[in-house]
Amino acid sequence: GQNIDQPTEMTATEGAIVQINCTYQTSGFNGLFWYQQHAGEAPTFLSYNVLDGLEEKGRFSSFLSRSKGYSYLLLKELQMKDSASYLCAAEDSNYQLIWGAGTKLIIKP
Amino acid sequence: IAGITQAPTSQILAAGRRMTLRCTQDMRHNAMYWYRQDLGLGLRLIHYSNTAGTTGKGEVPDGYSVSRANTDDFPLTLASAVPSQTSVYFCASSDSGAGGPDTQYFGPGTRLTVL
Repeated sequence: GQNIDQPTEMTATEGAIVQINCTYQTSGFNGLFWYQQHAGEAPTFLSYNVLDGLEEKGRFSSFLSRSKGYSYLLLKELQMKDSASYLCAAEDSNYQLIWGAGTKLIIKP
Repeated sequence: IAGITQAPTSQILAAGRRMTLRCTQDMRHNAMYWYRQDLGLGLRLIHYSNTAGTTGKGEVPDGYSVSRANTDDFPLTLASAVPSQTSVYFCASSDSGAGGPDTQYFGPGTRLTVL
């Protein structure tokens, strides 16, 4: 079957670094998306990884290991506005997205 | 309009009533999607359309129907609403086949309560 696992909730301190992990099992695999979703709002695109390795985009970086079925989102210099849910989604061989339930990130001052 | 719009923003509906959720995009994206989001379950695909005139079933299609008469509009209809259809509904679109990642862009959502 197809499955995406990510932690339900994480807490971090303003100014710190946090890593949100995601493991996936899909019928074929094309790439891995990360989305950010603030409470009561729509998901917004953060990153897409298709090759193994780290992709850096400002304070946010995303890593992929295709052989391990594993990805993580790394958030640096945390700000209060980073409090949100972070959704991991794997694109299967039919180009459909399989979504994780999301990780709620709580930032404390 | 810029992006994707959905209407209504929220709705309270009596069980057994028919309801159509509207979705319009102005990005000329070929693919469109309807998801429902429930606490602890993440986004689940209801129906999708790869191009105008075609539609397909997602993970949870029962009780829902869609149509795609043109590129811009993708309405979702609940023929006879039931309480288990209480959820937040998101419409999304993507420019699939454009040579890059099939990034989906989401509308603001419709919060539906069926009593």
